[in-house]
Amino acid sequence: NAGVTQTPKFQVLKTGQSMTLQCAQDMNHEYMSWYRQDPGMGLRLIHYSVGAGITDQGEVPNGYNVSRSTTEDFPLRLLSAAPSQTSVYFCASSRQVRYNEQFFGPGTRLTVL
Amino acid sequence: ELKVEQNPLFLSMQEGKNYTIYCNYSTTSDRLYWYRQDPGKSLESLFVLLSNGAVKQEGRLMASLDTKARLSTLHITAAVHDLSATYFCAVTYYNQGGKLIFGQGTELSVKP
Repeated sequence: NAGVTQTPKFQVLKTGQSMTLQCAQDMNHEYMSWYRQDPGMGLRLIHYSVGAGITDQGEVPNGYNVSRSTTEDFPLRLLSAAPSQTSVYFCASSRQVRYNEQFFGPGTRLTVL
Repeated sequence: ELKVEQNPLFLSMQEGKNYTIYCNYSTTSDRLYWYRQDPGKSLESLFVLLSNGAVKQEGRLMASLDTKARLSTLHITAAVHDLSATYFCAVTYYNQGGKLIFGQGTELSVKP
């Protein structure tokens, strides 16, 4: 099993550009989520999904879109990048909503100029 | 509001010493997790605590949970340099769609 994979590892964007961060898991997990990590603030939940076709907002959803067309994939879209979105982004998955030990991907370091 | 607070945020220790990291959370939770993060790396799950009085130990780390006080502790015994990392506690609220809410993290540095 590859576990949770994320691409790219690093990305630099200009303000106003859009892009998609990719996340995939091969563990047949129902629950997937996106977090951003900023210094001194822990990890904050952006969006999450409890299964294919179902998504919901987390603590800091503004400026981000998600979709879950398959169990394996959960891409995060930045619609119009802003410097405030400079962060490290982690994707995570767990077997079920209730069984919430989450496995984290390696992260994507995003810089918006 | 769902809040999770850790203290201290920074901890510098000498090898061989003991110390405790505290994690307070604001409302009743389903379960509490401790994670470790090395610099530039992802998060690694350390412990899952499910009920009041739960205690888990792995090597020099021991985690406990007091749900009545809404407090978890991560105790470090006879610290070694390899324990240097950032430690996060996180709490899940099932009625909130299974959201996992993190504390700010405690950056631990163990010096020889």
